Amino acid sequence: EDQVTQSPEALRLQEGESSSLNCSYTVSGLRGLFWYRQDPGKGPEFLFTLYSAGEEKEKERLKATLTKKESFLHITAPKPEDSATYLCAVQAANTGFQKLVFGTGTRLLVSP
Amino acid sequence: NAGVTQTPKFRVLKTGQSMTLLCAQDMNHEYMYWYRQDPGMGLRLIHYSVGEGTTAKGEVPDGYNVSRLKKQNFLLGLESAAPSQTSVYFCASTKRGSNQPQHFGDGTRLSIL
Repeated sequence: EDQVTQSPEALRLQEGESSSLNCSYTVSGLRGLFWYRQDPGKGPEFLFTLYSAGEEKEKERLKATLTKKESFLHITAPKPEDSATYLCAVQAANTGFQKLVFGTGTRLLVSP
Repeated sequence: NAGVTQTPKFRVLKTGQSMTLLCAQDMNHEYMYWYRQDPGMGLRLIHYSVGEGTTAKGEVPDGYNVSRLKKQNFLLGLESAAPSQTSVYFCASTKRGSNQPQHFGDGTRLSIL
């Protein structure tokens, strides 16, 4: 069974204090790993897709990396507006309808 | 560019009542999905559709029905609401093809009393 585990559940940072969020996964052949951002009262907003181990993608203060067992979302010098819940999801190679399996997310709070 | 639009945004029902949640997308996506999000459990797939006129069960389909009469719309129905169906419901859509990200609406917050 495909599974995604995210840690920590919650993270509190001071503005400018860099850190990383972890997404560990088990999947029967990875087709893609997706990162989303979710603000309170809103739907998940797509950030990145990673396809193979060693791949990295960046967007502003965020950088996502991928290994064969986990993905990290690195946040460099975060600002209060980066506060949100970050969701990780995997798509298995054998799914016929692009099914995503989601983790429970990491709630990030960045204080000024 | 509206993307994925869900109506209503909030609703309170009494146990046993029925209702329909509407999802509309303007991106000409083939695939559409309904999820529920509960604290500590992440997003769980209820039903999905890979095209107009076709629907299929997801991970937690019991108590729900769906219809996709038009490509742009995906309806989720609760025939007889139960308190266990209190949740936030999200609709998503994506273009057919591997590794395409799903695009989400802003959800419907449903309380069953």
